Amino acid sequence: AQSVTQPDIHITVSEGASLELRCNYSYGATPYLFWYVQSPGQGLQLLLKYFSGDTLVQGIKGFEAEFKRSQSSFNLRKPSVHWSDAAEYFCAAFTGRGSTLGRLYFGRGTQLTVWP
Amino acid sequence: DAGVIQSPRHEVTEMGQEVTLRCKPISGHDYLFWYRQTMMRGLELLIYFNNNVPIDDSGMPEDRFSAKMPNASFSTLKIQPSEPRDSAVYFCASSLRGVYGDGYTFGSGTRLTVV
Repeated sequence: AQSVTQPDIHITVSEGASLELRCNYSYGATPYLFWYVQSPGQGLQLLLKYFSGDTLVQGIKGFEAEFKRSQSSFNLRKPSVHWSDAAEYFCAAFTGRGSTLGRLYFGRGTQLTVWP
Repeated sequence: DAGVIQSPRHEVTEMGQEVTLRCKPISGHDYLFWYRQTMMRGLELLIYFNNNVPIDDSGMPEDRFSAKMPNASFSTLKIQPSEPRDSAVYFCASSLRGVYGDGYTFGSGTRLTVV
């Protein structure tokens, strides 16, 4: 079955520290990959996406993600976290085949807490 | 653009009542999605439309749920009769060219509580 796994339910980091949020997918082919962020009481906002090409993609708010085919991973990173980054982060994948065209599969999310 | 607009933001209703959630997608977007978010199940895709036509409703939990998109600027998700287990945050999202575009734009959601 197609799935997206975010192994970490909750991560806590200090402001200014680096961040890495993990995401793994299970698909036969390379999917399109996305990271979204959800602030409390808000909808999801797209941070970045990977379709093909350069495996290191840059997004908004200083985030980047690296696609590693050998590890079936698409981890999100930020060199220095700000208190405003505290939110829930979702990884999502899309394979775009047949009747599932248009369907994004979301992971369960990682809640990020930032300590001052 | 004002983004994807959902109404109401909060809805509290009694079990057995009909609930209608509303969504106005971004003008020009040709895909519309309804998602449900709960602690237990995370984000679930309920149904999506392309050019106002329902494409995949396999995520609709049961016959109590129905969705319509009468025109390109409006969609509804109806639950009749509502049950406490329907309590969740319901998100509407729209996109241009599905996932091949700039991704989905989500509304702020409707928090539904069924008592």
